[in-house]
Amino acid sequence: SSELTQDPAVSVALGQTVRITCQGDSLRSYFPSWFQQKPGQAPLLVIYGKNSRPSGIPDRFSGSSSGNTASLTITGAQADDEADYYCNSRDSSTNHLLFGAGTKVIVL
Amino acid sequence: QVQLQQWGAGLLKPSETLSLTCAVYSGSFSGYFWSWIRQPPGKGLEWIGEIDHSANTNYNPSLKSRITISIDKSKNQFSLQLTSVTAAETAVYYCARGRVVRGLITSYYYMDVWGKGTTVTVSS
Repeated sequence: SSELTQDPAVSVALGQTVRITCQGDSLRSYFPSWFQQKPGQAPLLVIYGKNSRPSGIPDRFSGSSSGNTASLTITGAQADDEADYYCNSRDSSTNHLLFGAGTKVIVL
Repeated sequence: QVQLQQWGAGLLKPSETLSLTCAVYSGSFSGYFWSWIRQPPGKGLEWIGEIDHSANTNYNPSLKSRITISIDKSKNQFSLQLTSVTAAETAVYYCARGRVVRGLITSYYYMDVWGKGTTVTVSS
């Protein structure tokens, strides 16, 4: 199906590791990109491609993908990482762009 | 550093036409996809559509009958028109730059530069 599925929310203790998953058939053909969004701000690209980070994104953010499932991992979560995270991909059959519904990361 | 600056009417009445423009500063227009995305209050991101430097368009099928995305290469600008808006289309509208990298087996697409967003309210 041409959808991307994300868990609505996940919590992580300060300094611990959290993994956010994204599932969808489009991920078999296109690696996803991942965005962080804080209230009142535009989305910020944090991971793209197989596991690339734009300049300025801390290396505690990493990505992986296998089959129809992709993950964004935050290793050593900081208070500043509390935000909504969206995955994004392209459907290879329709060429349409897809967004997951977003995962709220709560840092305890 | 590439920047996107967007503008347009922020308050519309139902059935009116939404019109937004996004200008690309300090960067090439060619080789990229130029997208519009929206986000209703408290909700997730929704892709509206995109255009490339050759003016090829690709629209969200749920909005296709009401959307026009166009480019003006002479001004390094691209625009969105959405007709017959309803209150449910109240949202922050973003423009963004996207790029496709094609691989033998797996490709990837990403949007690395975004505008700051324009809040559009549809209310009678």
